[in-house]
Amino acid sequence: AQTVTQSQPEMSVQEAETVTLSCTYDTSESDYYLFWYKQPPSRQMILVIRQEAYKQQNATENRFSVNFQKAAKSFSLKISDSQLGDAAMYFCAYRRMEYGNKLVFGAGTILRVKS
Amino acid sequence: GAGVSQSPRYKVAKRGQDVALRCDPISGHVSLFWYQQALGQGPEFLTYFQNEAQLDKSGLPSDRFFAERPEGSVSTLKIQRTQQEDSAVYLCASSARDRASGANVLTFGAGSRLTVL
Repeated sequence: AQTVTQSQPEMSVQEAETVTLSCTYDTSESDYYLFWYKQPPSRQMILVIRQEAYKQQNATENRFSVNFQKAAKSFSLKISDSQLGDAAMYFCAYRRMEYGNKLVFGAGTILRVKS
Repeated sequence: GAGVSQSPRYKVAKRGQDVALRCDPISGHVSLFWYQQALGQGPEFLTYFQNEAQLDKSGLPSDRFFAERPEGSVSTLKIQRTQQEDSAVYLCASSARDRASGANVLTFGAGSRLTVL
């Protein structure tokens, strides 16, 4: 079974600074998707960024980028120029390649942004 | 609608009561998922529908949990004889394959928070 581990229960960052959230996973599959989701207090789960395992290039979405290390099964999220609106719970998630497969989530990291 | 709609947003039930949680997915979305999220934890998979067919119910924690999607659109998650450990946020998500990228784009609702006293 696939598992996702987020070892940082809580992180803090100063506004405008950079922070990195860690995620490791375990799978025997060679092709899969990895995701970072943001969940603010409103509970709406919002997709931040997605990485296909077969792509060597790290995904980037504006201030958000990932460091995907397939051999190490590591998938960290870097947030640059942190903003107050980035404060939320962040979840790393894994999904097998086939359509309709479920997401497997980590336990989450609370990100606090200080002004 | 534009997004996935869930109701009620909040539900308080006495232990032993039955509850029903509704999910209205994005129109045309074939796939629908239910997840359970305990306080301070990540969501855990409960069940998956493709249209009206329930293809995976391996995550349902007990036979007190039942989900249906009879016409392939709206889904209901029913919990019978609720227990305190059922207290959680229940998230619904729907998806369709993006024609341009082929990727499976998942959209979540805001969830229903169930508190069992």
